[in-house]
Amino acid sequence: RKEVEQDPGPFNVPEGATVAFNCTYSNSASQSFFWYRQDCRKEPKLLMSVYSSGNEDGRFTAQLNRASQYISLLIRDSKLSDSATYLCVVTVNYGQNFVFGPGTRLSVLP
Amino acid sequence: DGGITQSPKYLFRKEGQNVTLSCEQNLNHDAMYWYRQDPGQGLRLIYYSQIVNDFQKGDIAEGYSVSREKKESFPLTVTSAQKNPTAFYLCASCNRYRSGNTIYFGEGSWLTVV
Repeated sequence: RKEVEQDPGPFNVPEGATVAFNCTYSNSASQSFFWYRQDCRKEPKLLMSVYSSGNEDGRFTAQLNRASQYISLLIRDSKLSDSATYLCVVTVNYGQNFVFGPGTRLSVLP
Repeated sequence: DGGITQSPKYLFRKEGQNVTLSCEQNLNHDAMYWYRQDPGQGLRLIYYSQIVNDFQKGDIAEGYSVSREKKESFPLTVTSAQKNPTAFYLCASCNRYRSGNTIYFGEGSWLTVV
């Protein structure tokens, strides 16, 4: 089993749609959780950290369920500019290492 | 501006040659990392370093070497022993002493074997 698994995608949605990404992790000792965004042929960039209480940043909402080892990202009112690959990331080994999921590609269509 | 600088952005290598990818950061981060990404794939850890003069192998270290002589610099050498080196290479760093620290990336280096 891979350490971090994500919805295989790709997700093709119309503008204005709400889309949800799911991520599971296998290491129960994982400490920190993040969503990164990667545009085609570019480096990943931090989208948002994920907290146990859930957190929201504009149209983006992240949730963490430690008991189920599950992370989610919800994007409301999708924009064309949201088209990218979304990477789920967890830290292991007392925060020393970052483990990346394979990513889920999103295409928002006009 | 603070950040991570990778060079070169594009590099072509002949089979059998060693090449070195540069990574410099001015974020005062202790930890630095090298990842490899193949088309349509996730990031795989090659090497990481938590402190100067110390580094550890990641999941796919074979055929690669690194050094960490300065806090700011973490160059990666792709040796001739790496059988399939064509990929996108990403250098990253983080402040490991900060709770909930995040990892920051350079713009990446594209390596093609010709």
